[in-house]
Amino acid sequence: GAGVSQSPSNKVTEKGKDVELRCDPISGHTALYWYRQSLGQGLEFLIYFQGNSAPDKSGLPSDRFSAERTGGSVSTLTIQRTQQEDSAVYLCASSLYYGNTEAFFGQGTRLTVV
Amino acid sequence: GQNIDQPTEMTATEGAIVQINCTYQTSGFNGLFWYQQHAGEAPTFLSYNVLDGLEEKGRFSSFLSRSKGYSYLLLKELQMKDSASYLCAGMDSNYQLIWGAGTKLIIKP
Repeated sequence: GAGVSQSPSNKVTEKGKDVELRCDPISGHTALYWYRQSLGQGLEFLIYFQGNSAPDKSGLPSDRFSAERTGGSVSTLTIQRTQQEDSAVYLCASSLYYGNTEAFFGQGTRLTVV
Repeated sequence: GQNIDQPTEMTATEGAIVQINCTYQTSGFNGLFWYQQHAGEAPTFLSYNVLDGLEEKGRFSSFLSRSKGYSYLLLKELQMKDSASYLCAGMDSNYQLIWGAGTKLIIKP
């Protein structure tokens, strides 16, 4: 597609439920990143994928968070047993390759856990 | 540790010039990025500096001093549409971006 697409744009879920967030990167981009942005805070790195290499999961805040990238394209971020502190905007970005290159961001998914 | 510092909020007048400062501490250094983020929207790329000096791009310029761990974004001829948050991010030796909390710029007529 023309840009990075994320869905849903908004998600309200009950505490304890699982949620799945989707990211469709720009075609041909080998690197894909997930970030979390809380109100008034900077972007918090969660995970990145580069080609077929094993993902860097060092930013995932707990084992309730997982992500996968199928076929080197679409990625899903799954949060199990959601907690209120998981409420944030989840941003996905892609870039041509991993490194000092411009990243293109999606519009984000605003997650609210009630 | 790694850290990015930038002011929380700045106010400027339409038509004026504003400079947004950023200081960084990263483990190794592979460049400094500036992104613009309008409320409720995705961040968009503004500039990338890896060498010392000033990079000019239209009304926006970005400066880097590696010895001082310092960068600034300079916005000239401010327009109302420039009201946004400006995010500074340093790239460490592992090509990991370390993000600041952003500077909210308010433009007044």
